[in-house]
Amino acid sequence: AQKITQTQPGMFVQEKEAVTLDCTYDTSDPSYGLFWYKQPSSGEMIFLIYQGSYDQQNATEGRYSLNFQKARKSANLVISASQLGDSAMYFCAMSSIYGNNRLAFGKGNQVVVIP
Amino acid sequence: GAVVSQHPSWVICKSGTSVKIECRSLDFQATTMFWYRQFPKQSLMLMATSNEGSKATYEQGVEKDKFLINHASLTLSTLTVTSAHPEDSSFYICSARAGTGVNQPQHFGDGTRLSIL
Repeated sequence: AQKITQTQPGMFVQEKEAVTLDCTYDTSDPSYGLFWYKQPSSGEMIFLIYQGSYDQQNATEGRYSLNFQKARKSANLVISASQLGDSAMYFCAMSSIYGNNRLAFGKGNQVVVIP
Repeated sequence: GAVVSQHPSWVICKSGTSVKIECRSLDFQATTMFWYRQFPKQSLMLMATSNEGSKATYEQGVEKDKFLINHASLTLSTLTVTSAHPEDSSFYICSARAGTGVNQPQHFGDGTRLSIL
């Protein structure tokens, strides 16, 4: 079974600072993908970044980077130079073959960026 | 690219009404679409997986007769909440995926807020 754990309480971040959102996962599947999504208060889910289990390098996408530590089964999201528009819920998710490629979501991290 | 349109955004209707929600992939063909339900301050709960031309696969505990899913084409899936009651009030959101690999992200619509009076 797949399991995603996001346990951080809500976070306040100063504008222009970096923030790290923790995500740990549990799976016995040899091949899996890890995703981060952003959900603003308006409700839409925005795909941010993807990391494959066999990828040698950490994924980066603009201000987003993923700190992938396979042995520790963690896939933390780093947002650099926070902006007010980054205030949202952030969900870590995993897809795997044994899970029929469905996404298993964590409970989410609430981030509020303050000026 | 990878735009998913969901309609309507808001629905307010009386108890007993059936409500249809549409999910369209605008610029790609979606082999699989997913329907989720989300309660306030909670994560997404997968309701069903929809494959074009075949019956949807429902998650445990989701009533098939209550939540009818039709995936008529590679760009359109619909969710019909039949005889909706206040307990069906929720945020429903769909997603679509172009391929089948673990590296394929799901692209989400903007969601539908359903309120049953």
